[in-house]
Amino acid sequence: QIKLQESGPGLVRPSETLSLTCTVSGVSIDSKDHFWGWVRQPPGKGLEWIGTFYYRGRIYYNPSLKSRLTISVDTSISQLSLTLRSVTAADTATYYCARHFPVSSDSYPSWFDPWGQGTQVTVSS
Amino acid sequence: SYELSQPPSVSVSPGQTATIICSGHELESKYVCWYQQKAGQSPIIVVYKDSRRPSGIPERFSGSNSGNTATLTISGTQAADEADYYCQVWDSTTIVFGGGTRLTVL
Repeated sequence: QIKLQESGPGLVRPSETLSLTCTVSGVSIDSKDHFWGWVRQPPGKGLEWIGTFYYRGRIYYNPSLKSRLTISVDTSISQLSLTLRSVTAADTATYYCARHFPVSSDSYPSWFDPWGQGTQVTVSS
Repeated sequence: SYELSQPPSVSVSPGQTATIICSGHELESKYVCWYQQKAGQSPIIVVYKDSRRPSGIPERFSGSNSGNTATLTISGTQAADEADYYCQVWDSTTIVFGGGTRLTVL
């Protein structure tokens, strides 16, 4: 059974760096069959895609976050990581990691399944 | 940048058919997927590649995509289907979500 578990600091000060990890179990994180992605959801609002990583080094970032964002994978510990620099209150959200399926083999990412339970991050002084 | 539009809310009576639409320019040229998110829970996929239903999702959930509109249809809606529903596509090198539709089962 595949499981994704996000973890993070909970509270981050404005202008500082947010670091989150997602531990994957039940499936190989360096499989060529799927991608890995991050999605966030501000309180009471909709879903916002953050970025998607493919083990072969293909990374896609939300253009609105790209300048502050780094996504990486550590296959040795089966962990996906997200680093978001210079955070503001607008970055307050629940952050989800999810497996990201391609439309077809060696194609672009399409749907997310499954999702982790999410980790809540508040940016406040 | 590409945009997807959804009505903020849809209401349906139990046992009736709920229709949730997602609009975007030439949407039929893209694969649409739909997520269900119940209060306090993570989203789950209910339809992918326009009309395919993952294992474990009831047959009353179906999807279609034509022209500029994709549709999620829930037949014989149950109280348990009350949730927020989001459409999503891949456009160029980005993932785009619709704003979400809150389905209320009255």
